[in-house]
Parts: sequence; C-alpha cells; structure tokens
Amino acid sequence: GQNIDQPTEMTATEGAIVQINCTYQTSGFNGLFWYQQHAGEAPTFLSYNVLDGLEEKGRFSSFLSRSKGYSYLLLKELQMKDSASYLCAVRSIAGGGADGLTFGKGTHLIIQP
Amino acid sequence: GAVVSQHPSRVICKSGTSVKIECRSLDFQATTMFWYRQFPKQSLMLMATSNEGSKATYEQGVEKDKFLINHASLTLSTLTVTSAHPEDSSFYICSASLLGQGAHGYTFGSGTRLTVV
Repeated sequence: GQNIDQPTEMTATEGAIVQINCTYQTSGFNGLFWYQQHAGEAPTFLSYNVLDGLEEKGRFSSFLSRSKGYSYLLLKELQMKDSASYLCAVRSIAGGGADGLTFGKGTHLIIQP
Repeated sequence: GAVVSQHPSRVICKSGTSVKIECRSLDFQATTMFWYRQFPKQSLMLMATSNEGSKATYEQGVEKDKFLINHASLTLSTLTVTSAHPEDSSFYICSASLLGQGAHGYTFGSGTRLTVV
C-alpha cells in the first residue's frame, strides 16, 4: 500500500519562510504533487516533482529525494492569504493509463501577522 | 486552461434519497475521471476511477452499488449517491487527468458539499 506523512499543523509569521515536509512509502512511484486547499474549496495545483532536486516557482519551491521518500514545500515571503491546508500527493504506476493520486492528510498552515 | 465544472456545489437531501453529482470537462476531453471524498479535517480519499465507455474501478471499501459512476461521454462523468445516509455527508470532488493534454497533472472540479439529513 501507500503511506504519506506530513505534519498536521504549522504556524509561521507573515514575511517569513516555512518548510512543510512530506515523507512517503509507495511502490511504482510516478511523481509527487503539492496542492493548496482553502476550507470548502477544491485543491489548486502548486508543484510537481518526478526527478530528484528542487523545482522553483515564484514564492514556492518543492524538493524531492526519491531514495529517501522525502519531499518538502518551501514557501517564501509568506502572506496572510497563504493560510490554508497544503496537501502532499503521490502518483503510482498502475500498469498504464492515468493513475489517481494518494493524498496525505494535509498540513494546516496558519500565518500570523 | 483545462476546466472541470462540477455541479451542484451544495446539496441537502433527506435520508434514503439519491443525489447525482455531475462533472463536465469544458474545453478538453476527459478520458479518465477520478472521484474523491473528503471528510472534515481529513485528506481526499480516492473512491473510484472512471474511464469513458467502461465500468468504473472502485477502491477497496467503496460500495459500487451505493456510489454509481457513469462516464458515458468524454466530457461528462456523474456520481450518484444512492439511498443516502447521514454518514455519506461529505465533500465530493472530481478530478480529470490531463494526460494527453500536454500536461502531467490533474484538474479538479470545485467540489460538492453533500449534507444528508
């Protein structure tokens, strides 16, 4: 089966930097996604990693180490609107065709002034 | 970009009735649609995968006779919650794969908040 772990809740200060970690165990790894979700809304795509290394996209960066089963999402210059849940999701190969995602439980990020 | 329109956004129904949720891909053909359920403060749980023109594949523990999925065209997939009970109250979200659309990701519908009373 698949197992994805991420912290339940984190608090950070406006203007600062925060790193949200995600560890996973899966067979047939085929990519890791990070999504942002505000309460009662659908997730919105933030980043995708399939190879080791860092992917930077404006204020958001995501890192992947496949050998360690580890990823992190880095948020810089935090803004109040960044208060949300951040979901780590893994895709696994299922023998061809499109594959559904397995989501972690999400990290609720609280930004304080 | 690729958009999936999901309706209704909110629905309240009586226990024992059925509710249909629709997801339409507006500017692309969604060969595969995923249906997720999310309970409060929980993660999204994959319920089933539907492919156009074939039977849906259900995840372990999901009752296929209770959650009927139809994917009769490349632009429409529906989830019907039959004989709904209060424990079925949840947030249901569909997601379409963008494989074949020049992208590697997924696009999500806006979700349906189902409350069974």
